[in-house]
This record gives sequence, structure tokens and C-alpha cells, in this order.
Amino acid sequence: DAMVIQNPRYQVTQFGKPVTLSCSQTLNHNVMYWYQQKSSQAPKLLFHYYDKDFNNEADTPDNFQSRRPNTSFCFLDIRSPGLGDAAMYLCATSSKGGYGYTFGSGTRLTVV
Amino acid sequence: AQSVTQPDIHITVSEGASLELRCNYSYGATPYLFWYVQSPGQGLQLLLKYFSGDTLVQGIKGFEAEFKRSQSSFNLRKPSVHWSDAAEYFCAVGRSPSSGNTGKLIFGQGTTLQVKP
Repeated sequence: DAMVIQNPRYQVTQFGKPVTLSCSQTLNHNVMYWYQQKSSQAPKLLFHYYDKDFNNEADTPDNFQSRRPNTSFCFLDIRSPGLGDAAMYLCATSSKGGYGYTFGSGTRLTVV
Repeated sequence: AQSVTQPDIHITVSEGASLELRCNYSYGATPYLFWYVQSPGQGLQLLLKYFSGDTLVQGIKGFEAEFKRSQSSFNLRKPSVHWSDAAEYFCAVGRSPSSGNTGKLIFGQGTTLQVKP
């Protein structure tokens, strides 16, 4: 089945140690999003790629970066994770002119 | 400004009772409307969506929602709640991405549903 896959499901990282979360899709959607969801809060958009064009939300910290080497893959890099970055990270895809969004199962990040 | 309001942070209903979760939105144009459900520690599952046409939409797990343009609302309903429906529910609005639109989803703050036996 066409889908959005996030790896790993659970990630534990040390304070200040760079970490990368991955997202892959088989839908051939041209837009990919990264959302951060902290405990008991709504998902918040960090950034998205429209094809190869990167779009950062104004309030996304510089500590967060993203790469999209091809249509299928998108990575979220956290350069120096802090305790406040512990959250569920959700990847989603959509298509130009399409209807709706497809979410991955998320990666739960713990910072110790 | 674009926003979504879910007025009820927490709702408790008895199993078998009916349910209505409220959602109001503010958006420049008629958006696409979504309801998602999230169990603890899990990702988002789409319950239903509205793009156009019939304003009453049916979703999975026996849920339905009605779009009321005049009230800018998209309330979620279920005639008889099951214990397994206990979860967090998010209403969201967005538009299809295009050259002039990010297509990002705007979420409400969520409603936690507790089901009493």
C-alpha cells in the first residue's frame, strides 16, 4: 500500500547530540511536511518542502533543519537537541491540487 | 488570521451515549476540513474530511460531521460512543498546496474524550 513511513518509531538521544529522523513516501506526493507535537498540544508545522523548495515557518528554531534528497525521502535534523525538543514528530505528504494529507505514524523523540 | 477553535478541552460521556465535538474555524476561503483521532503515543488517524458537495460527511468508526458555512463550523458527531473511542480528537483546516499556498494544516487544540462505562 502506498504510504508514509517514519523511522524510527521511538528515538532516544542525548542532550546536545545531533539526531536525524527520517520519512519516506511511496505516494509520489510533491509536498512533504514536518510537524512537531508536544505532549497534550496540537501539531505545529516546522517546515515543508514544495518539490525541492524549502519553506521554513517563521518561528521554527534554527536548531531544526531539513533535507529532501529526492521525492521519496525527507529528513529532520536536530543539531543540538534540548530537553524542550522532546516531542512526537509527524511527517505528512500532500500533492499539488490534491485532496488531503497522508500522515506517517510519527517518531517519538526523548532527550536525556 | 487563520485559526481553528475547539471549545471543549475535555469531554466525558457514558458508553452508548451520543457525542458531539465542536469545531469552529476562521479561514480566508472555504477550506478543506478534517477530523483526526489520536490515541496516546500514536500518530494521527483520519476520521473524515470535507472538500465540497454534501455538507454531511460520513467517516470511519461510525463518525459523521456536518459543515455549516454560515456558522464556520464542522462539528463531529457519533450516535453511540464505544469505550474504544476514548482518545484525543483534532479538527484541522487547510487547502490543497499550490504555487501560492503552502497547503499546511492548521489544527485546533484538541478535545480529549473520556468514556465512562
